Amino acid sequence: QVQLQESGPGLVKSSQTLSLTCTVSGGSISTGGYYWTWIRQHPGRGLEWIGYVYDSGATYYNPSLESRVIMSIDTSKNQFYLKLTSVTAADTAVYYCAKDEDAFDLWGQGTLVTVSS
Amino acid sequence: EVVLTQSPATLSLSPGERATLSCRASQSVRRFLAWYQQKPGQAPRLLIYDASNRATGIPARFSGSGSGTDFTLTISSLEPEDFAVYYCQQRSDWPLTFGEGTKVEIK
Repeated sequence: QVQLQESGPGLVKSSQTLSLTCTVSGGSISTGGYYWTWIRQHPGRGLEWIGYVYDSGATYYNPSLESRVIMSIDTSKNQFYLKLTSVTAADTAVYYCAKDEDAFDLWGQGTLVTVSS
Repeated sequence: EVVLTQSPATLSLSPGERATLSCRASQSVRRFLAWYQQKPGQAPRLLIYDASNRATGIPARFSGSGSGTDFTLTISSLEPEDFAVYYCQQRSDWPLTFGEGTKVEIK
């Protein structure tokens, strides 16, 4: 059974870079041609799609974040990554990684990232 | 960007009652609409994809309908575990977007 798990610092200083890893277990990240996704949820609010990385390395980002987002994938490690540069308090959120097969059918548990000044 | 408007914001119902949740899109999303359930402290769970297809393991009391700009999620008879927040999400156009959610609370 495929599972996703986010990891990374829970606290990032303002203006620095947020870096998260999503580890895929129970299956190969390069099987099936899925879109590997990052989504975030600000405290007490709704969900925001950040972007995709495909197993080929192709990426698609939300235009609202595109200038600050870098996503990548390492199929040998069964991991994909999120970097968000120049963070501010507005980037404080729970960050989820998810698998997209017609919809977001599998999610990690989420990790809270707080941006401090 | 496709804006998804969910209504009502809060639905107060008793166990056993029928819940009807609405999601309206600012432009046609054809049938590329999904529904998710989220409980406090948990990740969202996929319920319905492509407007009316139940995801694996989802009980039959959950059903979805609609196309174009108007969609409905129906829970035929609320179980205690169904009280949660429900989000719709479209994948017809970039960027992918979510609605603001409907909270189904116990009356």
